[in-house]
Amino acid sequence: SQQGEEDPQALSIQEGENATMNCSYKTSINNLQWYRQNSGRGLVHLILIRSNEREKHSGRLRVTLDTSKKSSSLLITASRAADTASYFCATTSGNTPLVFGKGTRLSVIA
Amino acid sequence: GAVVSQHPSWVICKSGTSVKIECRSLDFQATTMFWYRQFPKQSLMLMATSNEGSKATYEQGVEKDKFLINHASLTLSTLTVTSAHPEDSSFYICSASDRGGGSWISEQYFGPGTRLTVT
Repeated sequence: SQQGEEDPQALSIQEGENATMNCSYKTSINNLQWYRQNSGRGLVHLILIRSNEREKHSGRLRVTLDTSKKSSSLLITASRAADTASYFCATTSGNTPLVFGKGTRLSVIA
Repeated sequence: GAVVSQHPSWVICKSGTSVKIECRSLDFQATTMFWYRQFPKQSLMLMATSNEGSKATYEQGVEKDKFLINHASLTLSTLTVTSAHPEDSSFYICSASDRGGGSWISEQYFGPGTRLTVT
């Protein structure tokens, strides 16, 4: 069953703007991960944040985690056309494999 | 490191035939492999979890007699779609982990996916 729910489902922005995607989940987790998927392609792992972490950065990516609200956000700063893709959050809890959210389709217009 | 390959990358088959998809961990021993299915513009849905040398554990609603999973070695798992129908057309993605049982704190490593089209 799906755990994460991304919001919004689709996002269209101009190049150079920031893009923020949110993810909510239902149960306690070990960690939360964000992935990118270009159309018809495989997954690219972006970042992992553990349940005891609140914020993590990687290049133009910033991920926050609020375990009290069971939510996470992914911020992409200074977006580029090449950032156009679907973005998924995925969680693990206990002994379970990754469970994916529905994803956000990001379109960055040049 | 931690590369997972899938073969084939795409396949077209006729309705009623069977097709096998391979998932290989190239530089590590995958004690556990996972198979996901993704329909267009939808998320990845876990189909089954397989541990080397034992039977796969299928998610609710996934027919184990239709989707045969074999994890015969620490580097290879196969998914066979038997008697394929057009509704089985999908993107199938495998992932592998070198952790058996226990915690999944480390990432699963994903293959590039296989696009199956059943005509």
